[in-house]
Amino acid sequence: GQNIDQPTEMTATEGAIVQINCTYQTSGFNGLFWYQQHAGEAPTFLSYNVLDGLEEKGRFSSFLSRSKGYSYLLLKELQMKDSASYLCAVKDSGNTPLVFGKGTRLSVIA
Amino acid sequence: ETGVTQSPTHLIKTRGQQVTLRCSSQSGHNTVSWYQQALGQGPQFIFQYYREEENGRGNFPPRFSGLQFPNYSSELNVNALELDDSALYLCASSLGGGAFAGELFFGEGSRLTVL
Repeated sequence: GQNIDQPTEMTATEGAIVQINCTYQTSGFNGLFWYQQHAGEAPTFLSYNVLDGLEEKGRFSSFLSRSKGYSYLLLKELQMKDSASYLCAVKDSGNTPLVFGKGTRLSVIA
Repeated sequence: ETGVTQSPTHLIKTRGQQVTLRCSSQSGHNTVSWYQQALGQGPQFIFQYYREEENGRGNFPPRFSGLQFPNYSSELNVNALELDDSALYLCASSLGGGAFAGELFFGEGSRLTVL
């Protein structure tokens, strides 16, 4: 089975930097995904990591350490529109579907 | 916007009733996955259809069933509704692989309330 753990809620200030952590336990590993989900809307793809290291995409970066079963999503220069839930999802090896964590609800305040 | 459309967006049913939810996949996508998202939880995989065949199923009872049509649109049917079935039902389309590949394009979801 798989176990994915991420904080339930976080609050950060507009213009600041926030790091959302995700730890996972899987029997195999074939990639880690981050999705953003605004309230009442569909999840949208943010990033994908399959090798160790940092992937940067504009204000968003995602880091992976496979040996530690650990990832984080880094959001820089926070904007009010970044208030959303951030879902960590892991792809196990073999013919298995993408499994999501419970999500981290981020509130950006002025 | 992903191009994946779902209907209805909201509906209310009572225990024991049956419901059908519909999904039109993004143009060119041949795989549809269905997820259930309870309030405050992450999406849970229900099943996936590839070229009209179910090719993967999560830990959901048989009263959850589905179809995929030749145009790759899909339906999710739930029989004998229970209170715990109240959730947001998400459809995701992709080109091959689907939930088994990782990058999914989600619709806005159908919010089902069971009373």
